[in-house]
Amino acid sequence: NAGVTQTPKFQVLKTGQSMTLQCAQDMNHEYMSWYRQDPGMGLRLIHYSVGAGITDQGEVPNGYNVSRSTTEDFPLRLLSAAPSQTSVYFCASTGIFESNEQFFGPGTRLTVL
Amino acid sequence: GENVEQHPSTLSVQEGDSAVIKCTYSDSASNYFPWYKQELGKGPQLIIDIRSNVGEKKDQRIAVTLNKTAKHFSLHITETQPEDSAVYFCAASLSGSARQLTFGSGTQLTVLP
Repeated sequence: NAGVTQTPKFQVLKTGQSMTLQCAQDMNHEYMSWYRQDPGMGLRLIHYSVGAGITDQGEVPNGYNVSRSTTEDFPLRLLSAAPSQTSVYFCASTGIFESNEQFFGPGTRLTVL
Repeated sequence: GENVEQHPSTLSVQEGDSAVIKCTYSDSASNYFPWYKQELGKGPQLIIDIRSNVGEKKDQRIAVTLNKTAKHFSLHITETQPEDSAVYFCAASLSGSARQLTFGSGTQLTVLP
C-alpha cells in the first residue's frame, strides 16, 4: 500500500492564481480531511469528507473548495490564491471505526507571492 | 469550539532522561486524545492515543496520562534517544475518534547525545 499520497510536494503561486492540490489514498478509507500547518499554530482543519459525495467545512474553510467523487481521491482547490494561504498542507484519511488510526500524507508546501 | 494549548514549545533533554509534554483542552465533552510525532519534512504519525474512559496508557517508553477533571493530558517519554528528536503534537476530538481533531501548537523536542 502507498498509503496517503499528495502532489505536488512544492508549489509557488502568484496572488490570484488557482490550483488544485491532489490527495489519494489506497486504504479504502471513508473519512478524508485537509489540514494546513502554520508555524506556532499546529494543524488546522480546512475541509473533511465522510464518504464519496459528502463534504463539510472545518475550522478554516474560506478560500478553499473540495469535492469527493471517489473514495480514493480528495482534491483541494484554491480558487484565487492569497499570500495568507502560504502554508504546508496535509491530507489525512481514516477508516469508519473509532479505533481506526488516522494516516497523514507527506504534505505540500505552498508559497503564494 | 474546542481549544487545545500545548507546553512547552521547545524542550531539550539529555539522552536517557525523561521528557514530559503537557496539553490542556477547553471542551469537557472531548473524548479522544492522540499524540503525533512529526519528523522533518514528513507528515504527522500517531504514536499513542487515549480515550476519556482511561486514565493512563503505556506503550514501551511512551505513556500518556489523562486528567478529565482538570482537562489536561500529558505525554511522557522515558529513556530518550536521539531518534526521539522531532515535533510532537497533541490533539483532542469530540467524536471519539481521529475525525475532526483540534491540534495543539506543537513541541520541538531535542535529545542531546
